Amino acid sequence: GDSVTQMEGPVTLSEEAFLTINCTYTATGYPSLFWYVQYPGEGLQLLLKATKADDKGSNKGFEATYRKETTSFHLEKGSVQVSDSAVYFCALRDTDSWGKLQFGAGTQVVVTP
Amino acid sequence: NAGVTQTPKFRILKIGQSMTLQCAQDMNHNYMYWYRQDPGMGLKLIYYSVGAGITDKGEVPNGYNVSRSTTEDFPLRLELAAPSQTSVYFCASRGTENEKLFFGSGTQLSVL
Repeated sequence: GDSVTQMEGPVTLSEEAFLTINCTYTATGYPSLFWYVQYPGEGLQLLLKATKADDKGSNKGFEATYRKETTSFHLEKGSVQVSDSAVYFCALRDTDSWGKLQFGAGTQVVVTP
Repeated sequence: NAGVTQTPKFRILKIGQSMTLQCAQDMNHNYMYWYRQDPGMGLKLIYYSVGAGITDKGEVPNGYNVSRSTTEDFPLRLELAAPSQTSVYFCASRGTENEKLFFGSGTQLSVL
């Protein structure tokens, strides 16, 4: 079945550093891809998405490009802030008609001042 | 709009007890989902529903039951709680045309 693999955390960075979180997927079709973010004590929130190959999703300074040739959807941000400390989940939407999301294990990011 | 509302926020159960986790959404979404989140394991789908009266099993349904009698509500039932069900439970919903999933704030459940 479809699955998502993302890099393990925690990732610890200093403020203004460059952030990359790797995400690769396995799918039989052409799924939509997502990044969700979970701040402490809260539910997940959609950060960005891409629905087809070569699409770039972006939001709040974060970007990710749907790469079909490498089956990847890596998340990047050029200059992180302390407020970006959270757990980030890569996910794909099943290509079946019910559209269930498959999540990666999550990557905790800690940004220090 | 309140979005997706889950109750309770915290609960401690003894082994063998039963309880229902409540989930309600006010966005008229057809699709609703229950996930559990275990440390370092990401989210696993327990059950989902594509509309009132229609439910189906997800990846980890054993030990749980659901019902969907209305569009708004999607309760999750634990009949005989076991320590393996200690987890954080999230309810989510989405509209038919929108891929964005809206999550509740979660229920932290401990079974001792």
